[in-house]
Amino acid sequence: EVQLVQSGAEVKKPGESLRISCKGSGYSFSSYWISWVRQMPGKGLEWMGRIDPSNSYTNYSPSFQGHVTISADKSISTAYVQWSSLKASDTAMYYCARLRLTAADMDVWGTGTTVSVSS
Amino acid sequence: NFMLTQPHSVSESPGKTVTISCTRSSDSIASNYVQWYQQRPGSAPTIVIYEDDQRPSGVPDRFSGSIDSSSNSASLTISALKTEDEADYYCQSYDSSDLKVVFGGGTKLTVL
Repeated sequence: EVQLVQSGAEVKKPGESLRISCKGSGYSFSSYWISWVRQMPGKGLEWMGRIDPSNSYTNYSPSFQGHVTISADKSISTAYVQWSSLKASDTAMYYCARLRLTAADMDVWGTGTTVSVSS
Repeated sequence: NFMLTQPHSVSESPGKTVTISCTRSSDSIASNYVQWYQQRPGSAPTIVIYEDDQRPSGVPDRFSGSIDSSSNSASLTISALKTEDEADYYCQSYDSSDLKVVFGGGTKLTVL
């Protein structure tokens, strides 16, 4: 079964750093891009960026460029998104998803990671 | 750059048919494939339509997708509505000019 399993919920303070993860299984992890998607409380889906795990090439939405870093370790089939200095406005659910380049569709989604940032 | 615009909400009765629109702001809707995702409360999104009108295995044939060049929009149609179809639905496409994924704002479907 193709799965993306994400790391657990996080509670952080403003200014702290954080890295959350997304582990793929049941398929060749390097053969598909991984996208990250933010969903703020009660709001819609926002695309953050994507990574090609085979070579770690990334591209970001302008809204997230410079504020998050997306990375991957293909040896352990895991992608990451990290923040160096969290803000309260980073409070959201974060999803990873497998991205198929032919149509740029996301056919498998992760379980989601809730990030809460509060002083 | 372009935007995808969806109605905030739609409602319909069980057994009826509902259509959700997704209008592209610039360039042709046919320039890039459109996908549709269903998100039930408290759950991750799941894909229900890809490549404009293709249904993944396991998605009921009550779900169908189409594009209309005259209105520059895509549509998701759900027939024989069930209460379990109550969810948020998002359209999504791709901006080839800057390699960016674009989501619509989402439509809340109420089945009452």
